[in-house]
Amino acid sequence: EAGVTQFPSHSVIEKGQTVTLRCDPISGHDNLYWYRRVMGKEIKFLLHFVKESKQDESGMPNNRFLAERTGGTYSTLKVQPAELEDSGVYFCASSHLGLAGGGNEQFFGPGTRLTVL
Amino acid sequence: GNSVTQMEGPVTLSEEAFLTINCTYTATGYPSLFWYVQYPGEGLQLLLKATKADDKGSNKGFEATYRKETTSFHLEKGSVQVSDSAVYFCALSDLPAGGKLIFGQGTELSVKP
Repeated sequence: EAGVTQFPSHSVIEKGQTVTLRCDPISGHDNLYWYRRVMGKEIKFLLHFVKESKQDESGMPNNRFLAERTGGTYSTLKVQPAELEDSGVYFCASSHLGLAGGGNEQFFGPGTRLTVL
Repeated sequence: GNSVTQMEGPVTLSEEAFLTINCTYTATGYPSLFWYVQYPGEGLQLLLKATKADDKGSNKGFEATYRKETTSFHLEKGSVQVSDSAVYFCALSDLPAGGKLIFGQGTELSVKP
């Protein structure tokens, strides 16, 4: 079974530019999450999709960030325009819907390292 | 709000040493608790989990016990190996299924031969 994949693995852009990150979850996983780790700090939640619907977007820092999951498969996270503080590693994770018994095991991708200069 | 606090790193140990990485949490209700590990150049992997008080999660020689009375979930291993060098993240989920994870800041472990 293929794992969660993310593209690109690295992105270096200048302040004010636009970047789009992509995540392909594990096939059949209806839950899809985006997280971000900035400069060695804790990994912070950004948002959660259930299929194509946004279940929780409480972690999105501002309206420069736009996430989509058309068709309930892969997801994109667009940052427009990028600012210096957006630099960090963006992780995507997926899990089955309504995992019985609790535990909510999320499977993570390798992350996209974004550097904004 | 819910939060997780981990001991700060980096932690440097010699091979075969005993490892403890402290993790405490603040949460309402009954969260599930997790340890994730990130090996160099890789994504996060679930190391172990516990879903209720007094549960012990274990995997690859690592153990952690869900202690509700002390709100802790400390990670332990009796004898570390060089291959255990990685960043370890403690996390909680406050929903039984599908909830977001709340992470600690991560603890970098370096094991020397």
